[in-house]
Amino acid sequence: DTGVSQNPRHKITKRGQNVTFRCDPISEHNRLYWYRQTLGQGPEFLTYFQNEAQLEKSRLLSDRFSAERPKGSFSTLEIQRTEQGDSAMYLCASSLAGAQETQYFGPGTRLLVL
Amino acid sequence: AQSVTQLGSHVSVSEGALVLLRCNYSSSVPPYLFWYVQYPNQGLQLLLKYTSAATLVKGINGFEAEFKKSETSFHLTKPSAHMSDAAEYFCAVRRGSQGNLIFGKGTKLSVKP
Repeated sequence: DTGVSQNPRHKITKRGQNVTFRCDPISEHNRLYWYRQTLGQGPEFLTYFQNEAQLEKSRLLSDRFSAERPKGSFSTLEIQRTEQGDSAMYLCASSLAGAQETQYFGPGTRLLVL
Repeated sequence: AQSVTQLGSHVSVSEGALVLLRCNYSSSVPPYLFWYVQYPNQGLQLLLKYTSAATLVKGINGFEAEFKKSETSFHLTKPSAHMSDAAEYFCAVRRGSQGNLIFGKGTKLSVKP
């Protein structure tokens, strides 16, 4: 069990550029979550998948944000036309669905938009 | 709607002193409650979770939390602080059947030698 991994760990981009982050969950986990964390705040839920199905996406911050999990394994989060307000830590978590569900988090991708 | 309030954005204790981090929740259904710890520039690590099996929950690194329904609280404690406990701590409630967590704003714990 190697845990949840995220790549890249850091990303610096210019305003207006597109960025994509990758998350690899714990191998047997069927749920995958994306959260955003800004300075001094707790993580804020964005979206989640069960297997390849995206079950909740209304919390994505705008239509510039999209996420995929094409084969029910890794997931990508894309931000188009980045803005300075998108600067944050993007966290991924995975879990096994059920009443005892516990989410395990990756190390995060820190995005800085200049 | 479910929510979590963490009282005190910053708590400072001396090494060896009691650690008490406060968390109050609001939930219309029996909640699932969690405490996570975050070290600088890292992700969140699970400390402990309450899933209705027992009101006193023991976690890793000597931490424990007590679920008090009458007070809607889930405070985190540790009898004796260690320098390595310095980090930010987040309380979270699981939002119904959907599974996503709702987090408090966090409490930064400092430990003085």
